[in-house]
Amino acid sequence: QVQLQESGPGLVKPSETLSLTCTVSGGSISSYYWSWFRQPPGKGLEWIGYIYYSGSTNYNPYYNPSLKSRVTISVDTSKNQFSLKLTSVTAADAAVYYCAVGFGGVVGDIWGQGTMITVSS
Amino acid sequence: EIVLTQSPGTLSLSPGERATLSCRASQSVSSAYLAWYQQKPGQPPRLLIYGAFHRATGIPDRFSGSGSGTDFTLTISRLEPADFAVYYCQYYGNSPYTFGQGTKLEIK
Repeated sequence: QVQLQESGPGLVKPSETLSLTCTVSGGSISSYYWSWFRQPPGKGLEWIGYIYYSGSTNYNPYYNPSLKSRVTISVDTSKNQFSLKLTSVTAADAAVYYCAVGFGGVVGDIWGQGTMITVSS
Repeated sequence: EIVLTQSPGTLSLSPGERATLSCRASQSVSSAYLAWYQQKPGQPPRLLIYGAFHRATGIPDRFSGSGSGTDFTLTISRLEPADFAVYYCQYYGNSPYTFGQGTKLEIK
């Protein structure tokens, strides 16, 4: 059974870069759709982006257009991890960040427990 | 961008009753890419339904999905205490992969 665990700093300063890692266990990252979502406190869910293994060691990332200029998703196959970087954060980026895997598309079949990110100086 | 509108915002029912939750898309979408999730406080979302009517692994048959075009429904046939939560629909057919704003199912 695939399991996911997010890790990263709980506090990020305004204008700095948020970096999160999702460690995958119980399965290989060399297949399926690996996504990041977020949820501001008391609000709904937002898709941030996903990365997909397209063969021959190639991984293709796709991003929400509303965040595309600030987001990078990458994979470290040696560690079975994928990562999120979000630049120039503001208070609006404060949220619980989730990683998830979709077996048949960008759907959250399995989710990590989430990590709360606070943006404050 | 596909906008999903869920109704009602809050649904108050008693255990044993039937719950009907609606998700309406701003334009016709493929039912192959419509999902429903359940979320409880402090927990990640849990996939219930994918492809509009396919139950995810381990989901009891009390949960069923239906619909096509712009109108989709999640039905919980006999509510149990553990079913009271927030429910979200999601369209994952094309980017951006959007969610509805959620329906809170509360105990009456």
